[in-house]
This record gives sequence, structure tokens and C-alpha cells, in this order.
Amino acid sequence: NAGVTQTPKFQVLKTGQSMTLQCAQDMNHNSMYWYRQDPGMGLRLIYYSASEGTTDKGEVPNGYNVSRLNKREFSLRLESAAPSQTSVYFCASREGQGSEAFFGQGTRLTVV
Amino acid sequence: AQSVTQPDIHITVSEGASLELRCNYSYGATPYLFWYVQSPGQGLQLLLKYFSGDTLVQGIKGFEAEFKRSQSSFNLRKPSVHWSDAAEYFCAAASGGSYIPTFGRGTSLIVHP
Repeated sequence: NAGVTQTPKFQVLKTGQSMTLQCAQDMNHNSMYWYRQDPGMGLRLIYYSASEGTTDKGEVPNGYNVSRLNKREFSLRLESAAPSQTSVYFCASREGQGSEAFFGQGTRLTVV
Repeated sequence: AQSVTQPDIHITVSEGASLELRCNYSYGATPYLFWYVQSPGQGLQLLLKYFSGDTLVQGIKGFEAEFKRSQSSFNLRKPSVHWSDAAEYFCAAASGGSYIPTFGRGTSLIVHP
């Protein structure tokens, strides 16, 4: 069972570069999420998609864009990376109301 | 505003000792509640969840949690800690129209031999 798959696992970017973080889930879940994890800050929601075709901003959306390509895939794009975006990014999916979220292994991004 | 608070940033216990990690939530109505564990370099794994009913919830790896409505708490416990339990623990809650999971800041568990 693959669950939630994120690529890449590690990435180093220079300030101003762009990149897309990929996320795919094979559990037929409706909702998908992007979180960032920083030391002492827990997980903060960047964007989410409650269902295919919809996306909404979370707590910290500035500097990011997302695309819900289909029910399986939810990508996160950094158009012009900044050092403040150095973080570990987690994608998660969830079946519906009240169900638990399933997480990918994370992408460790460093912006220099 | 809805929030989840984990008061302890770090907890240090000796192997074999009991463990309690605290979690408090601030929601208008009782949310769905979760505990996750994150080993170094890994994603989050669900330990247990509470939706309704019995306020003592059993999870994986010998963990349990007790929901106390009067204290708005959902504390995680384990009777005897193993060295492999050293990890980061996150409490989360979901409520409202979209039921988006909101996480506490996490508690880092250190286990001494």
C-alpha cells in the first residue's frame, strides 16, 4: 500500500528559483492538504483541497500556489523561493469529515 | 479561534516509567481528536482517535488517551515507555464545516536508558 507519496524527498533551491512539490494518494480520498513543519511551530496548513476541483488557503499561503490536478494528485508550487520557505513539507489526505489524515514522508526543502 | 495546545515542548522519562503527554483544545463544540507520532525523518503516524462514546481510547503501540470534556483535554498515556517511543508527538483536532485537522506544536519525548 503506497498511501500518500511525495516527491522529491530532498531539494536545495537558490533564492528566486521555482519548483513544484508533487503529492499523490491512492486511497480515493476527497480531501488533500499541504502543511509545513518548522521547529517549535508544529504543522501549519498552507493550502487544502476539500474535493477535486476546489482549493483554499490555509494559515500560511503566501508565496505558494497549488493545483488539484485530479482526485489523486495535489501539487504545491513555489514560484520564487525565499530562505523563509526552508522547511519540511508534508502532504496529507483524508477520506471525509472526522476521519484521520494520512501523511506522506515529507519533502525537506532548503532555500539558500 | 480554534486551537490545540501542547504545553510541554520536551518530556524526558526513563525507560520503563509511565508517560503522560498533555493536550488541550479550544473549540466551540467537542472536535474530533487525534494523536500522531513522528519518528525522526518520517511522516506522521496515527496513534489513536476520539470521535464520541467511551472517553478512554486505546491505540497502537500500547498508548491510550482520555478525553475530559470538563477540562477540554485529551491527554496521551503509556504505562511503561520503551526506548523506541522516543519521537515527536502531535495532538490534533478537527471540527467545523471543513473539519481541517489543526495541530498542536508537538512534544518531543526523550527516553533515558
